Amino acid sequence: NAGVTQTPKFQVLKTGQSMTLQCAQDMNHNSMYWYRQDPGMGLRLIYYSASEGTTDKGEVPNGYNVSRLNKREFSLRLESAAPSQTSVYFCASSEAGQGVPSQNTEAFFGQGTRLTVV
Amino acid sequence: AQTVTQSQPEMSVQEAETVTLSCTYDTSESDYYLFWYKQPPSRQMILVIRQEAYKQQNATENRFSVNFQKAAKSFSLKISDSQLGDAAMYFCAYRMLQGGSEKLVFGKGTKLTVNP
Repeated sequence: NAGVTQTPKFQVLKTGQSMTLQCAQDMNHNSMYWYRQDPGMGLRLIYYSASEGTTDKGEVPNGYNVSRLNKREFSLRLESAAPSQTSVYFCASSEAGQGVPSQNTEAFFGQGTRLTVV
Repeated sequence: AQTVTQSQPEMSVQEAETVTLSCTYDTSESDYYLFWYKQPPSRQMILVIRQEAYKQQNATENRFSVNFQKAAKSFSLKISDSQLGDAAMYFCAYRMLQGGSEKLVFGKGTKLTVNP
């Protein structure tokens, strides 16, 4: 059971470089999320997608773009990486979505990507 | 805006003892869900327990239980008979509904150390 798969697991970028973090889920979930985790800050929502073709900003969207390519995949792009974007990034998914309520409330998380921008 | 506050950045407990982690939240909704997630050094986020706000009964999962005080907007996690494997970061989270879609808002976490 793959669940939520993120790639890569580790990445080092130079300031100004771009990269895309990939995320895929095989649970037929409607909603997908990108969080960043920094020491002492918990998990903060960057962007989320409640259904295929829709995306919304979370708490800290600046410097990021996202694409909900299809129901399975939700990518996060850093166009011009900055040292402030050094963090651990988590993708997550859940069953509920836009106009689709669900009693299954659990969100499933990927293993995280540790990104360092130098 | 909904917020989740964990006032204890770090806690420690002796093996086999009981520890309680605190969480308070702010919301104007009447129906919502609350969660505790565990994050061991492996970084994996693991759901420990969930509570539905409309249920009066406190949720329990084996050695884990919650004290849910809806009026006080408090949601604490009690770990009984603590084990070395319980050492981890623990995050309290609130499931909010916004614009027809749902998302989780997390607290800043509590680092739990279990001493042998």
